[in-house]
Amino acid sequence: GEDVEQSLFLSVREGDSSVINCTYTDSSSTYLYWYKQEPGAGLQLLTYIFSNMDMKQDQRLTVLLNKKDKHLSLRIADTQTGDSAIYFCAENSAGGSQGNLIFGKGTKLSVKP
Amino acid sequence: DAGVTQSPTHLIKTRGQQVTLRCSPKSGHDTVSWYQQALGQGPQFIFQYYEEEERQRGNFPDRFSGHQFPNYSSELNVNALLLGDSALYLCASSREGPEAFFGQGTRLTVV
Repeated sequence: GEDVEQSLFLSVREGDSSVINCTYTDSSSTYLYWYKQEPGAGLQLLTYIFSNMDMKQDQRLTVLLNKKDKHLSLRIADTQTGDSAIYFCAENSAGGSQGNLIFGKGTKLSVKP
Repeated sequence: DAGVTQSPTHLIKTRGQQVTLRCSPKSGHDTVSWYQQALGQGPQFIFQYYEEEERQRGNFPDRFSGHQFPNYSSELNVNALLLGDSALYLCASSREGPEAFFGQGTRLTVV
């Protein structure tokens, strides 16, 4: 079945780079996403990547996709305390339209000053 | 642009009661999806509405139903509430294209 897995916790120091990893199972997913959730809030779309791309960069964010291994990563350069949040990886399910997403359990990023 | 708005923000209900949650999509979006996020978990897809019809449904019982209005806003109804229905309910809006935007959610507590 469809499944998205992420490590649950990551701790980094302010100014370092953070790398959050994700594996997924549905090889027919068209898009893969990264969302950010701060305490008590909804989900903020950070970025997404089309499945035929290897990399996408958007300011401090770099997404790498290894389709062969079904591995997705999010790199945050120069991590700030404001980046502390839970980060969710998601794929759109086979046959699903945009908005029908399968999420991982989230990675809690803690940034120490 | 107000983005995706949901109401109410918090709600407390008793077991067995019924609840209605509301969502207004982002301007220009015609598709609304609903998700349930239990504490410490990722969101789980409930269903999606497009052109006032349920287009796709996740693995949720019939106690969960919805509606979409001509102005694209949507409601999620849950009947016969169980303690396990306590969660953050998220609405996402989208249109043709890859982006789906979420509201701030409604925190439902069932006691």
